[in-house]
Amino acid sequence: EAGVAQSPRYKIIEKRQSVAFWCNPISGHATLYWYQQILGQGPKLLIQFQNNGVVDDSQLPKDRFSAERLKGVDSTLKIQPAKLEDSAVYLCASSPTGGLTYEQYFGPGTRLTVT
Amino acid sequence: DAKTTQPPSMDCAEGRAANLPCNHSTISGNEYVYWYRQIHSQGPQYIIHGLKNNETNEMASLIITEDRKSSTLILPHATLRDTAVYYCIVYGRDTGRRALTFGSGTRLQVQP
Repeated sequence: EAGVAQSPRYKIIEKRQSVAFWCNPISGHATLYWYQQILGQGPKLLIQFQNNGVVDDSQLPKDRFSAERLKGVDSTLKIQPAKLEDSAVYLCASSPTGGLTYEQYFGPGTRLTVT
Repeated sequence: DAKTTQPPSMDCAEGRAANLPCNHSTISGNEYVYWYRQIHSQGPQYIIHGLKNNETNEMASLIITEDRKSSTLILPHATLRDTAVYYCIVYGRDTGRRALTFGSGTRLQVQP
């Protein structure tokens, strides 16, 4: 079974530029999450999708961050304009609807450096 | 979800058992204890979860105290590949909210 795919793996941009990250969840997983992980901290949820609808975006800085989930499968997360404090690893995760373990499966992440 | 407390770091000798503690004194009756780990430059990986009974799988064992206020993750024979940050998460499966709330975890260093 293929895991969660993310691209790019690394990105370096200057502040005030824009950037986009892509995520392809595990096939059949209805729920998709984007987390932000700042160095030395645990991941923090940015947004959660159920199919192509937003379930929770309460911690998403909506003035600069946006996300969409195309046709309930792939998802993109965009930052425009980026700030220095956005330097972090952006993790995508997916989980199946229902099931017994409620596990989340994480991708490798995209490391963003804002200079 | 209830808050968890973990030591920031631990060392373990290769081949020995690694016992990682977690306090969750405010856990409620419908909340499960989940453990994930994050190896350097990778995303978090599910290890094990439990409600009140001890659990074991191919990766680890989970011991939950009778009052459920604390738990211990046991890696029976730690290897260098087990060096990672281990997160203990309390999670209410019936809340309808699926996202996990991560703390800072315990950084386990397995020494050769």
